[in-house]
Amino acid sequence: GQQVMQIPQYQHVQEGEDFTTYCNSSTTLSNIQWYKQRPGGHPVFLIQLVKSGEVKKQKRLTFQFGEAKKNSSLHITATQTTDVGTYFCADLSYNTDKLIFGTGTRLQVFP
Amino acid sequence: DVKVTQSSRYLVKRTGEKVFLECVQDMDHENMFWYRQDPGLGLRLIYFSYDVKMKEKGDIPEGYSVSREKKERFSLILESASTNQTSMYLCASRVAGASGANVLTFGAGSRLTVL
Repeated sequence: GQQVMQIPQYQHVQEGEDFTTYCNSSTTLSNIQWYKQRPGGHPVFLIQLVKSGEVKKQKRLTFQFGEAKKNSSLHITATQTTDVGTYFCADLSYNTDKLIFGTGTRLQVFP
Repeated sequence: DVKVTQSSRYLVKRTGEKVFLECVQDMDHENMFWYRQDPGLGLRLIYFSYDVKMKEKGDIPEGYSVSREKKERFSLILESASTNQTSMYLCASRVAGASGANVLTFGAGSRLTVL
């Protein structure tokens, strides 16, 4: 079945540094969603990307969908301690209507 | 705000016990989901339900069953708990067929330990 992998699995950064997580799929992605899970919390929806090559921004967060729809990325500029958490990408399969989650990237930010 | 409530935040059970994890949502969502979350594996779909009395297997249904007798409630059942079912279980719901949405709202999670 489809596998959605994220790299890196963990990332430690100094506050103010940039951070990027990459989401790669074994098959063409249909519709990418990104979620954030704070430590001890539950995943919360951030954004959805639908079109090939799409780029969306939310303040310091930039989300990108690859031209070939095989990958996506989330870039955080000038990280803050509030960015700490695990970031998941998820692919919505049009065939099955299921949301297949990536393996997640855990971000730790040191002040 | 949509609220998804999971009945137990922490449970400790013994091998072989029957375990019920309850999930209730208050926004009349048609679709409901059960995921388990394990380090390095992300969220894996166990079962989902498109509507009342309906259920579909996800990617890892073995050892689990579900029940959806009422629209707002989706229960996950471990018929005979085993130690490899120790995990965080997350329930989620969403509106069906909403154009461009398909966003999941998660509950707080139920951390199950099987001894």
